[in-house]
Amino acid sequence: DVKVTQSSRYLVKRTGEKVFLECVQDMDHENMFWYRQDPGLGLRLIYFSYDVKMKEKGDIPEGYSVSREKKERFSLILESASTNQTSMYLCASSSTRASNYGYTFGSGTRLTVV
Amino acid sequence: TQLLEQSPQFLSIQEGENLTVYCNSSSVFSSLQWYRQEPGEGPVLLVTVVTGGEVKKLKRLTFQFGDARKDSSLHITAAQPGDTGLYLCAGKPTGFQKLVFGTGTRLLVSP
Repeated sequence: DVKVTQSSRYLVKRTGEKVFLECVQDMDHENMFWYRQDPGLGLRLIYFSYDVKMKEKGDIPEGYSVSREKKERFSLILESASTNQTSMYLCASSSTRASNYGYTFGSGTRLTVV
Repeated sequence: TQLLEQSPQFLSIQEGENLTVYCNSSSVFSSLQWYRQEPGEGPVLLVTVVTGGEVKKLKRLTFQFGDARKDSSLHITAAQPGDTGLYLCAGKPTGFQKLVFGTGTRLLVSP
């Protein structure tokens, strides 16, 4: 069963901590995405990557960075966590080769910054 | 900026009722997807429609892509409590791999 795996379902971190959210996919997908989801604001794109070592800013990149050293792994980094980064974080992947294009999402990481 | 507006935002119905969710844009998309998200989980892809006017059925769910590929609808027949969730449409702009997500429709089906 193909999947996108996010390393943690729930995380609690303190303000100012550096936070790493890991995402691994086993489908050999080229594209990977990080979103945050907040009530009333929908899905907002933070960063995405179309290839290894490649990254592009999404709609809300401030306070975040990413790393893609291997094709299957896309990491989201909160450089100095703040309370307004408390959210549900979703990782997704997709294949440019797919005839019926769509994302496969992970189960999400609910991050609370205190 | 490409936007996808979904309506209604919230829908609370009784088991057995029918419903339709709409997804509208002023932009043309090369394909459109529908996802369902249950609480505490990531969205799950239900269907992709590609051709203008295309209709796809998934058991009690019927998806339609508008002729001009700017809008879509999701119709559920005889809704069941298991249909409860957040429904998201997403459009793929031509030449791009990044999807544009709709605002979402939260559906509650009560027994």
